[in-house]
Amino acid sequence: EVQLVETGGGLIQPGGSLRVSCAASGLIVNSDYMRWVRQAPGKGLEWVSGIHIDGSRNYADSVKGRFTISRDNSKNTLYLQMNSLRAEDTAIYYCTNRGVWGQGTLVTVSS
Amino acid sequence: QAVVTQESSLTVSPGGTVTLTCGSSTGAVTSNHYPYWFQQKPGQAPRTLIYDTNNKHSWTPARFSGSLLGGKAALTLSGAQPEDEAEYYCLLYSRGVGAFGAGTRLTVL
Repeated sequence: EVQLVETGGGLIQPGGSLRVSCAASGLIVNSDYMRWVRQAPGKGLEWVSGIHIDGSRNYADSVKGRFTISRDNSKNTLYLQMNSLRAEDTAIYYCTNRGVWGQGTLVTVSS
Repeated sequence: QAVVTQESSLTVSPGGTVTLTCGSSTGAVTSNHYPYWFQQKPGQAPRTLIYDTNNKHSWTPARFSGSLLGGKAALTLSGAQPEDEAEYYCLLYSRGVGAFGAGTRLTVL
């Protein structure tokens, strides 16, 4: 069974940094397209970033230059490093591949 | 990034058929946009129904199907069930960057 488990969310002050993780089981993160999607409270889904099998990466304009997607093949884990966080980055962050979604981790940016 | 458009809300009768659409501000939606469809119920994580226009996962009910229709991506629900009441989102890709629509609230009534 394929499972994705996100961790690392929490309360962070504006301007701060946070890294969220997505541990995968039942799939190999470097052999599938993986992405991060977020959902602000009461709002719709927003595509954040994706990483291809060849390692190429893409970002939404809203996070470009501040967020970095990466993966650790030895840990079979996907990451999202988030810098210069803003209040509008407050959301549940989900990792997903072509089909499966994790349960999400909540990031709250507030002073 | 392209703006992706969806109907804000639709209503379907139990057992009825409804089509949700997904358009792009940049022009016609094609298979090169790799259209996805997701279902989300309150308090739950989204669930992928359709990927790459018309491909289903093992968990996708047979009553859901994806297609291209009139320059848009489309999700057709044939034989609606009460449990299909949910928010539906489409996702399109352009040059590797994804964009979601604002979602369609589907009511089964």
